[in-house]
Amino acid sequence: GENVEQHPSTLSVQEGDSAVIKCTYSDSASNYFPWYKQELGKGPQLIIDIRSNVGEKKDQRIAVTLNKTAKHFSLHITETQPEDSAVYFCAASRGIQGAQKLVFGQGTRLTINP
Amino acid sequence: DGGITQSPKYLFRKEGQNVTLSCEQNLNHDAMYWYRQDPGQGLRLIYYSQIVNDFQKGDIAEGYSVSREKKESFPLTVTSAQKNPTAFYLCASSGITGELFFGEGSRLTVL
Repeated sequence: GENVEQHPSTLSVQEGDSAVIKCTYSDSASNYFPWYKQELGKGPQLIIDIRSNVGEKKDQRIAVTLNKTAKHFSLHITETQPEDSAVYFCAASRGIQGAQKLVFGQGTRLTINP
Repeated sequence: DGGITQSPKYLFRKEGQNVTLSCEQNLNHDAMYWYRQDPGQGLRLIYYSQIVNDFQKGDIAEGYSVSREKKESFPLTVTSAQKNPTAFYLCASSGITGELFFGEGSRLTVL
């Protein structure tokens, strides 16, 4: 089955700098890669996702890149702000239908230092 | 507001007791899920239901039970057979897009 590895487990950056979180996956048939943000004491919330027919997707200060050959995808946050501090999870599955197939990474705790 | 409501937010249980976590959604979603979250680990699927009166085991179903008698409700019972029940439990639902919407979680502590 699918296995998703996420690195780093913790990341600390200065406000205004960029942050990058990387995930690798094992199932070459996976084609849907969402990223979730979990603020303290809350449930995860989808922030961006990408499908395997595109290599990059941007939404304001966040972007996700996908390398299907190497089977890895990354989350990029630019011009970081204190409200970006949270735990971020990547996930992978075969298709967006059937969320029960989503396999999650271990999570990255991102801290933005003022 | 549309969303998912989990209760209670915090729950303490003595060993040998069963406890039930509530999950209600008003998003009109067919599918609902229960995940377990432990420190340093990703979310692991306990049970899921794609339609009323039907549910399936996830990756770590042992020691848990669920029911889906109404579209809006998907309660999770943590039984005494669950060897390590202390964790953060998340309920989620999804509609036709497949996007997962999560509740704010229930933290269970075994005393």
